[in-house]
Amino acid sequence: TQLLEQSPQFLSIQEGENLTVYCNSSSVFSSLQWYRQEPGEGPVLLVTVVTGGEVKKLKRLTFQFGDARKDSSLHITAAQPGDTGLYLCAGAGFGNEKLTFGTGTRLTIIP
Amino acid sequence: DAGVIQSPRHEVTEMGQEVTLRCKPISGHNSLFWYRQTMMRGLELLIYFNNNVPIDDSGMPEDRFSAKMPNASFSTLKIQPSEPRDSAVYFCASRDSRHEQFFGPGTRLTVL
Repeated sequence: TQLLEQSPQFLSIQEGENLTVYCNSSSVFSSLQWYRQEPGEGPVLLVTVVTGGEVKKLKRLTFQFGDARKDSSLHITAAQPGDTGLYLCAGAGFGNEKLTFGTGTRLTIIP
Repeated sequence: DAGVIQSPRHEVTEMGQEVTLRCKPISGHNSLFWYRQTMMRGLELLIYFNNNVPIDDSGMPEDRFSAKMPNASFSTLKIQPSEPRDSAVYFCASRDSRHEQFFGPGTRLTVL
């Protein structure tokens, strides 16, 4: 069974601060996705990383896939209240279409 | 496109009743996934379909759960009989050719 552990589980910081969320596993994934989920809605895809060591930027968000494709990080610069939500990483296996979702990080940005 | 459509958005029922959740995927998407989300267990895959055919139902909790996809534009997830521990938010997602999953708004199920 592939498990994805996210840390921290909860994070509450002031607007303007920087933060990093981690997604770790002992399994290797063919690709890894990050989603953000807001209350009462389904998860929304933010990014997909495929290559070991790959870095992708989405405005103030920077995503990195570990060299061994077992872990990933999400860094937010100058956090805004609109960044508040549940952040989920999800790993895709090889040769199948299933995603294994991480345990989630609930982020709150205080104005 | 309206995105993935799920109904009902909320369902409250009593233990032992049959519950049917419905999903309309995004037109042109060939894969459909049913997930369940709870605080304790997070987001879990229950079953997924490719071209209307069930591919992997290993996440379905037990025989009380069943899912069908009679055509490319409709799927159901049925629980019969329902139990309080089935209370959760159930999501349907469809996937495009780039392997990106798009989630519906979910159905919040409460079994009393």
